[in-house]
Amino acid sequence: NAGVTQTPKFQVLKTGQSMTLQCAQDMNHNSMYWYRQDPGMGLRLIYYSASEGTTDKGEVPNGYNVSRLNKREFSLRLESAAPSQTSVYFCASRGYLYEQYFGPGTRLTVT
Amino acid sequence: GQQLNQSPQSMFIQEGEDVSMNCTSSSIFNTWLWYKQDPGEGPVLLIALYKAGELTSNGRLTAQFGITRKDSFLNISASIPSDVGIYFCAGLLSGNTGKLIFGQGTTLQVKP
Repeated sequence: NAGVTQTPKFQVLKTGQSMTLQCAQDMNHNSMYWYRQDPGMGLRLIYYSASEGTTDKGEVPNGYNVSRLNKREFSLRLESAAPSQTSVYFCASRGYLYEQYFGPGTRLTVT
Repeated sequence: GQQLNQSPQSMFIQEGEDVSMNCTSSSIFNTWLWYKQDPGEGPVLLIALYKAGELTSNGRLTAQFGITRKDSFLNISASIPSDVGIYFCAGLLSGNTGKLIFGQGTTLQVKP
């Protein structure tokens, strides 16, 4: 089992460009989450999907959209990237006892 | 909003020493989780705690769920160089969303 996979691993964007971060899990979990991690601030929830076909905003959703494509895949889209979105992005899926399993992250720089 | 406060913010210790860190909140949580993050990697679950007062071990790691349900503690015994990393606590928010709130992390450095 690969667990949670994310692509790409690194990305550099110019201000105003768009991109989609991909996430997939092979653990048959219902719930999936997108976080951003900034220095000294822990992990902050951007969006989550409690089950296939549903998505909800987290703590910091502005500037992002998500799609729960199927049970395995949950993507995060930046429509018009801004320097404030420079961060490390993590996808996670939730196990049966509320524990979350994280992917390796995408390191995004917006210039 | 709810916050988790981790202390200390960072630690620099000698190999072989024991380590203690904690996480406190003004809110009650019914589940506490502890994660470790190595540089350039995603967080990895170390220990999950589901009951107030519960003490759970994972090798040299021991975590406790505080009686008040507003705090949790992580201890590492006989530290080794590969213990280096950032340790995060997380509390499970109420409701069925499974949303977690994370502390800001404790950075551990171990001197061989």
